[in-house]
Amino acid sequence: DAGVTQSPTHLIKTRGQQVTLRCSPKSGHDTVSWYQQALGQGPQFIFQYYEEEERQRGNFPDRFSGHQFPNYSSELNVNALLLGDSALYLCASSLLGTSMNTEAFFGQGTRLTVV
Amino acid sequence: EDKVVQSPLSLVVHEGDTVTLNCSYEVTNFRSLLWYKQEKKAPTFLFMLTSSGIEKKSGRLSSILDKKELFSILNITATQTGDSAVYLCAVESYSGAGSYQLTFGKGTKLSVIP
Repeated sequence: DAGVTQSPTHLIKTRGQQVTLRCSPKSGHDTVSWYQQALGQGPQFIFQYYEEEERQRGNFPDRFSGHQFPNYSSELNVNALLLGDSALYLCASSLLGTSMNTEAFFGQGTRLTVV
Repeated sequence: EDKVVQSPLSLVVHEGDTVTLNCSYEVTNFRSLLWYKQEKKAPTFLFMLTSSGIEKKSGRLSSILDKKELFSILNITATQTGDSAVYLCAVESYSGAGSYQLTFGKGTKLSVIP
Protein backbone atom coordinates (compact mmCIF):
# COMPACT_ATOMS: atom_id res chain seq x y z
CA ASP A 1 0.00 0.00 0.00
CA ALA A 2 1.61 3.22 -1.17
CA GLY A 3 -0.24 5.39 1.33
CA VAL A 4 -0.94 8.97 0.33
CA THR A 5 1.22 10.15 -2.55
CA GLN A 6 1.71 13.73 -3.64
CA SER A 7 3.40 15.20 -6.66
CA PRO A 8 5.56 17.00 -7.34
CA THR A 9 7.70 17.11 -4.19
CA HIS A 10 9.16 20.52 -4.96
CA LEU A 11 8.08 23.31 -7.26
CA ILE A 12 9.31 26.80 -8.05
CA LYS A 13 6.95 29.24 -9.71
CA THR A 14 6.95 32.94 -10.58
CA ARG A 15 4.46 35.42 -9.17
CA GLY A 16 1.29 35.54 -11.24
CA GLN A 17 1.64 32.02 -12.55
CA GLN A 18 -0.72 29.14 -11.93
CA VAL A 19 0.14 25.82 -10.28
CA THR A 20 -1.47 22.39 -9.97
CA LEU A 21 -0.61 19.97 -7.18
CA ARG A 22 -1.72 16.36 -7.17
CA CYS A 23 -2.69 13.84 -4.51
CA SER A 24 -3.55 10.16 -4.60
CA PRO A 25 -5.28 8.98 -1.43
CA LYS A 26 -4.54 5.85 0.51
CA SER A 27 -6.24 2.79 -0.89
CA GLY A 28 -9.77 2.49 0.47
CA HIS A 29 -10.08 6.20 1.31
CA ASP A 30 -12.60 8.39 -0.45
CA THR A 31 -12.06 11.83 1.06
CA VAL A 32 -9.18 14.19 0.43
CA SER A 33 -8.36 17.28 2.48
CA TRP A 34 -5.76 19.89 1.57
CA TYR A 35 -3.72 21.95 4.02
CA GLN A 36 -1.27 24.81 3.63
CA GLN A 37 1.64 24.96 6.05
CA ALA A 38 3.67 28.15 6.00
CA LEU A 39 7.12 28.13 7.55
CA GLY A 40 6.89 28.01 11.33
CA GLN A 41 3.13 27.58 11.32
CA GLY A 42 0.74 24.69 11.77
CA PRO A 43 -1.16 23.33 8.78
CA GLN A 44 -4.22 25.38 7.78
CA PHE A 45 -7.25 23.71 6.28
CA ILE A 46 -7.93 24.74 2.68
CA PHE A 47 -10.76 22.46 1.61
CA GLN A 48 -12.06 18.91 1.55
CA TYR A 49 -13.36 16.85 -1.36
CA TYR A 50 -15.74 13.92 -1.35
CA GLU A 51 -17.70 12.45 -4.24
CA GLU A 52 -16.01 14.90 -6.57
CA GLU A 53 -17.48 17.87 -4.69
CA GLU A 54 -16.01 20.43 -2.34
CA ARG A 55 -17.55 19.64 1.04
CA GLN A 56 -15.88 22.11 3.37
CA ARG A 57 -13.69 25.13 2.85
CA GLY A 58 -11.36 27.11 5.08
CA ASN A 59 -10.53 30.81 4.88
CA PHE A 60 -8.79 30.80 1.53
CA PRO A 61 -9.52 33.02 -1.47
CA ASP A 62 -11.10 31.79 -4.67
CA ARG A 63 -7.65 31.63 -6.25
CA PHE A 64 -7.46 28.27 -4.52
CA SER A 65 -9.61 25.68 -6.22
CA GLY A 66 -9.66 21.96 -6.42
CA HIS A 67 -11.00 18.93 -8.10
CA GLN A 68 -11.57 15.31 -7.23
CA PHE A 69 -11.67 12.58 -9.84
CA PRO A 70 -13.76 9.39 -9.89
CA ASN A 71 -10.76 7.42 -8.64
CA TYR A 72 -10.70 9.73 -5.56
CA SER A 73 -7.44 11.41 -6.50
CA SER A 74 -7.43 15.16 -6.20
CA GLU A 75 -5.81 18.30 -7.53
CA LEU A 76 -5.22 21.63 -5.89
CA ASN A 77 -4.99 24.61 -8.22
CA VAL A 78 -3.70 28.02 -7.25
CA ASN A 79 -4.05 30.93 -9.70
CA ALA A 80 -2.28 34.28 -9.77
CA LEU A 81 0.41 33.11 -7.36
CA LEU A 82 1.61 35.48 -4.66
CA LEU A 83 4.86 35.34 -2.73
CA GLY A 84 2.77 34.52 0.34
CA ASP A 85 1.59 31.30 -1.27
CA SER A 86 5.03 29.82 -0.69
CA ALA A 87 4.43 26.92 1.71
CA LEU A 88 4.30 23.18 2.18
CA TYR A 89 1.02 21.85 0.81
CA LEU A 90 -0.17 18.72 2.53
CA CYS A 91 -2.82 16.32 1.41
CA ALA A 92 -4.61 14.03 3.87
CA SER A 93 -6.94 11.21 2.99
CA SER A 94 -9.64 9.59 5.09
CA LEU A 95 -12.90 7.71 4.88
CA LEU A 96 -16.01 9.87 5.09
CA GLY A 97 -17.90 9.49 8.32
CA THR A 98 -15.04 8.02 10.27
CA SER A 99 -12.94 9.84 12.77
CA MET A 100 -9.75 11.20 11.31
CA ASN A 101 -7.59 9.50 13.94
CA THR A 102 -5.29 6.91 12.45
CA GLU A 103 -7.36 6.88 9.29
CA ALA A 104 -6.18 10.39 8.45
CA PHE A 105 -2.97 9.76 6.55
CA PHE A 106 -0.83 12.62 5.35
CA GLY A 107 1.27 12.67 2.22
CA GLN A 108 4.85 13.94 2.18
CA GLY A 109 3.70 17.27 0.85
CA THR A 110 4.65 19.55 -2.01
CA ARG A 111 7.03 22.39 -1.22
CA LEU A 112 5.95 25.37 -3.34
CA THR A 113 8.26 28.34 -3.66
CA VAL A 114 6.98 31.47 -5.41
CA VAL A 115 9.66 33.89 -6.59
CA GLU B 1 -13.86 30.29 14.70
CA ASP B 2 -12.08 27.21 16.00
CA LYS B 3 -8.78 27.92 17.74
CA VAL B 4 -5.91 25.76 18.97
CA VAL B 5 -3.04 27.28 20.96
CA GLN B 6 0.16 25.42 21.75
CA SER B 7 2.86 26.37 24.22
CA PRO B 8 5.72 26.78 24.35
CA LEU B 9 6.42 27.47 20.69
CA SER B 10 9.96 26.19 21.06
CA LEU B 11 11.90 24.28 23.64
CA VAL B 12 15.51 23.21 23.98
CA VAL B 13 16.36 20.42 26.42
CA HIS B 14 19.18 18.00 27.13
CA GLU B 15 18.96 14.30 26.51
CA GLY B 16 17.31 12.56 29.44
CA ASP B 17 15.13 15.50 30.40
CA THR B 18 11.35 15.23 30.68
CA VAL B 19 9.23 17.71 28.73
CA THR B 20 5.59 18.72 28.82
CA LEU B 21 3.93 20.27 25.81
CA ASN B 22 0.65 22.12 26.17
CA CYS B 23 -2.37 22.49 23.93
CA SER B 24 -5.53 24.49 24.65
CA TYR B 25 -8.49 24.76 22.34
CA GLU B 26 -11.80 26.41 21.61
CA VAL B 27 -13.87 24.56 19.03
CA THR B 28 -17.48 23.83 18.30
CA ASN B 29 -18.62 20.24 17.78
CA PHE B 30 -15.50 18.75 19.34
CA ARG B 31 -14.84 15.18 18.30
CA SER B 32 -11.26 14.44 19.33
CA LEU B 33 -7.82 15.90 19.95
CA LEU B 34 -4.83 14.54 18.10
CA TRP B 35 -1.09 14.85 18.50
CA TYR B 36 1.27 14.56 15.54
CA LYS B 37 5.05 14.54 15.21
CA GLN B 38 6.48 16.35 12.21
CA GLU B 39 10.15 15.81 11.44
CA LYS B 40 10.51 16.61 7.78
CA LYS B 41 7.25 16.88 5.94
CA ALA B 42 4.38 14.51 6.66
CA PRO B 43 2.95 14.73 10.17
CA THR B 44 2.91 11.29 11.73
CA PHE B 45 0.15 10.31 14.10
CA LEU B 46 0.93 9.91 17.82
CA PHE B 47 -2.29 9.93 19.83
CA MET B 48 -5.99 10.52 19.56
CA LEU B 49 -7.86 11.54 22.70
CA THR B 50 -11.60 11.65 23.04
CA SER B 51 -12.30 11.18 26.75
CA SER B 52 -11.18 13.27 29.68
CA GLY B 53 -8.76 11.88 32.21
CA ILE B 54 -7.72 8.77 30.31
CA GLU B 55 -4.00 8.73 29.67
CA LYS B 56 -2.72 7.36 26.40
CA LYS B 57 0.81 5.96 26.45
CA SER B 58 3.26 4.85 23.84
CA GLY B 59 6.73 4.11 25.11
CA ARG B 60 8.18 7.30 26.56
CA LEU B 61 5.29 9.42 25.27
CA SER B 62 2.01 9.95 27.04
CA SER B 63 -0.90 12.33 26.68
CA ILE B 64 -4.05 13.26 28.52
CA LEU B 65 -7.10 15.37 27.77
CA ASP B 66 -9.17 17.63 30.03
CA LYS B 67 -12.44 18.39 28.24
CA LYS B 68 -13.70 20.59 31.06
CA GLU B 69 -10.71 22.93 30.98
CA LEU B 70 -10.23 22.43 27.22
CA PHE B 71 -6.59 21.44 27.16
CA SER B 72 -4.26 18.54 26.62
CA ILE B 73 -0.65 17.81 27.49
CA LEU B 74 1.93 15.65 25.79
CA ASN B 75 4.70 14.32 28.00
CA ILE B 76 7.98 12.92 26.79
CA THR B 77 10.23 11.29 29.38
CA ALA B 78 13.94 10.51 29.05
CA THR B 79 14.17 12.54 25.85
CA GLN B 80 16.48 11.44 23.05
CA THR B 81 17.92 13.37 20.11
CA GLY B 82 15.50 11.47 17.89
CA ASP B 83 12.64 13.23 19.65
CA SER B 84 13.71 16.51 18.06
CA ALA B 85 10.78 17.55 15.89
CA VAL B 86 7.78 19.82 15.71
CA TYR B 87 4.86 18.49 17.73
CA LEU B 88 1.49 19.47 16.40
CA CYS B 89 -1.77 19.47 18.29
CA ALA B 90 -4.97 19.31 16.24
CA VAL B 91 -8.60 19.27 17.18
CA GLU B 92 -11.05 17.33 15.09
CA SER B 93 -14.49 18.83 14.80
CA TYR B 94 -17.59 17.60 13.10
CA SER B 95 -18.51 19.94 10.27
CA GLY B 96 -21.72 18.31 9.11
CA ALA B 97 -22.78 15.67 6.57
CA GLY B 98 -20.30 13.16 7.88
CA SER B 99 -17.32 15.46 7.40
CA TYR B 100 -14.62 16.10 9.94
CA GLN B 101 -12.10 18.90 9.90
CA LEU B 102 -8.76 19.30 11.66
CA THR B 103 -7.71 22.62 13.18
CA PHE B 104 -4.01 22.70 14.03
CA GLY B 105 -2.00 24.73 16.47
CA LYS B 106 1.27 26.34 15.40
CA GLY B 107 3.27 23.52 16.90
CA THR B 108 6.02 23.23 19.49
CA LYS B 109 9.53 22.88 18.10
CA LEU B 110 11.46 20.57 20.40
CA SER B 111 15.23 20.40 20.16
CA VAL B 112 17.02 17.76 22.21
CA ILE B 113 20.77 18.29 22.53
CA PRO B 114 23.19 15.55 23.55
